[in-house]
Amino acid sequence: EDQVTQSPEALRLQEGESSSLNCSYTVSGLRGLFWYRQDPGKGPEFLFTLYSAGEEKEKERLKATLTKKESFLHITAPKPEDSATYLCAVQFNTGFQKLVFGTGTRLLVSP
Amino acid sequence: EAQVTQNPRYLITVTGKKLTVTCSQNMNHEYMSWYRQDPGLGLRQIYYSMNVEVTDKGDVPEGYKVSRKEKRNFPLILESPSPNQTSLYFCASSLHRGGQETQYFGPGTRLLVL
Repeated sequence: EDQVTQSPEALRLQEGESSSLNCSYTVSGLRGLFWYRQDPGKGPEFLFTLYSAGEEKEKERLKATLTKKESFLHITAPKPEDSATYLCAVQFNTGFQKLVFGTGTRLLVSP
Repeated sequence: EAQVTQNPRYLITVTGKKLTVTCSQNMNHEYMSWYRQDPGLGLRQIYYSMNVEVTDKGDVPEGYKVSRKEKRNFPLILESPSPNQTSLYFCASSLHRGGQETQYFGPGTRLLVL
């Protein structure tokens, strides 16, 4: 069965304390892996799409990387405004638009 | 402003009373999807559409219907809502350009079925 698992479930950091969030997957043919940020009461906000092992993308303090079995979202020197739930989702080769989401990592960055 | 809009944002209804949640996007995207989000289960795809008149089931389609008669609109229909459909619903549309896909989500519709 195709599955997406995110860890940790929750993470508390001090401002400036870098860390990484993990998204591991077991899918039969990866087409793409997506990262989103979701603030309470709002819809997910797109961050990155990764398509092949070794690919990396950056946006401000965030950097996403992809291997054959997992993806990492690295947060460098986080600020309190980075506090949110981070979601990853996997798109299969079969089923062009089918996405399977992980349950997310709740990140809290304290000043 | 490029956006995905949903209406209503909040809805309380009773079991069996048909309802429609509208979704509209102004970005001329071909791909649109509906998701529900429940605590501990994350986002689950209900239906998706690759273009006008082209729709397909996601992971949890039971109890839902969709239609795509126009490119910009993708309504979600609950013919006979039940309490287990109480959830937070999101509509999304996708841009595919240069081999890259970007997905935009609406603000969500919180539904309570009594």
